[in-house]
Amino acid sequence: AQKITQTQPGMFVQEKEAVTLDCTYDTSDQSYGLFWYKQPSSGEMIFLIYQGSYDEQNATEGRYSLNFQKARKSANLVISASQLGDSAMYFCAMSPRMDSSYKLIFGSGTRLLVRP
Amino acid sequence: GAVVSQHPSRVICKSGTSVKIECRSLDFQATTMFWYRQFPKKSLMLMATSNEGSKATYEQGVEKDKFLINHASLTLSTLTVTSAHPEDSSFYICSAQRGGWLGDTEAFFGQGTRLTVV
Repeated sequence: AQKITQTQPGMFVQEKEAVTLDCTYDTSDQSYGLFWYKQPSSGEMIFLIYQGSYDEQNATEGRYSLNFQKARKSANLVISASQLGDSAMYFCAMSPRMDSSYKLIFGSGTRLLVRP
Repeated sequence: GAVVSQHPSRVICKSGTSVKIECRSLDFQATTMFWYRQFPKKSLMLMATSNEGSKATYEQGVEKDKFLINHASLTLSTLTVTSAHPEDSSFYICSAQRGGWLGDTEAFFGQGTRLTVV
């Protein structure tokens, strides 16, 4: 069964500090993609970063980096130099390549609050 | 980045009426669109996969007759909540992808629709 687990329902971080949001996944597929999305209170889903299962290097996108540990099936999101605007819900998601529907499976989310 | 437009952003309807939500890909052809439902403070749950020109594939537990999905063109998919009841109140959000495996192209999300049935 495909599953994404986010064990941190809520996190606090001080402005300008780094924070790590945890994500573990379960799949029997060899090919899959891992995604992180940000959802502010407005509800829109904002794509942050993508990691392919065969990518050897950890993905980075500006202040976002993905700590991909394939053997441990974890794909933690690291946000460096947190900003007040980073306060939002963060969802980890997976797309198994062998699933022809190409759907996204989401974790339960982590609410991040950045303190000034 | 690609833009997906979802309309309306908010809708309030009376119990028993039907509501149509539109999802449009504005600058690309979306072979596949997905409809998700999100309860307050919960994750997104996939309702159905919509492929242009064919019947939608519904996830287990989703009532096909309650949530009608039509993907009439490569740029438009609609979700109709029929005979809406208060328990259908939720946040509905669509996503669209150009084609191929999602890993090759990100999914673009609409802004979401907050449905309130009174």
